[in-house]
Amino acid sequence: GENVEQHPSTLSVQEGDSAVIKCTYSDSASNYFPWYKQELGKRPQLIIDIRSNVGEKKDQRIAVTLNKTAKHFSLHITETQPEDSAVYFCAANTSGGSYIPTFGRGTSLIVHP
Amino acid sequence: GAVVSQHPSWVICKSGTSVKIECRSLDFQATTMFWYRQFPKQSLMLMATSNEGSKATYEQGVEKDKFLINHASLTLSTLTVTSAHPEDSSFYICSATRQGLYNSPLHFGNGTRLTVT
Repeated sequence: GENVEQHPSTLSVQEGDSAVIKCTYSDSASNYFPWYKQELGKRPQLIIDIRSNVGEKKDQRIAVTLNKTAKHFSLHITETQPEDSAVYFCAANTSGGSYIPTFGRGTSLIVHP
Repeated sequence: GAVVSQHPSWVICKSGTSVKIECRSLDFQATTMFWYRQFPKQSLMLMATSNEGSKATYEQGVEKDKFLINHASLTLSTLTVTSAHPEDSSFYICSATRQGLYNSPLHFGNGTRLTVT
């Protein structure tokens, strides 16, 4: 089955800095890679996703890059703000009819004002 | 759109009793719903995949007789924790994807904080 590794587990940055979270996956058949943000005590919410036919996707301060050859994808947050503080999860969905996502262990992002 | 409602948001029960958690997709049909368990500061652990009209598929290590899942309609799945014990205390979250859309985002419920005393 799929295995998703996520690093770092904790990331502390100053407001205005950039933050990068990296994930690797094992199943070359995976073709959908969503990122979720979970604030304390709340539900995870999709912030951005990318499919395997695209190398990069950007939405304002958030971007995701995908390297299919190396089987890794990354979340980039620029000009971080305190409200970006949360736990971020990457996930990978395999194709072939089975679309159960496998989640990374999560990254706790702390943005200091 | 794509709202998933989960109830209750929190529940305290005595050891040995059963607790039912409901997960509803409010504005879309969900052939499949997922049930997760989340421990503090940890990732989402998939417990089972709930399929409308058929038996749930449980992940390895999850006791299907203890965590009963029923998916009676395209908008409702329930998780019943039977004979709950303190070690079952956790945060349970359901999620769903739109019917017929593979490899699309998950829409999560608000979660249920279960405390077994």
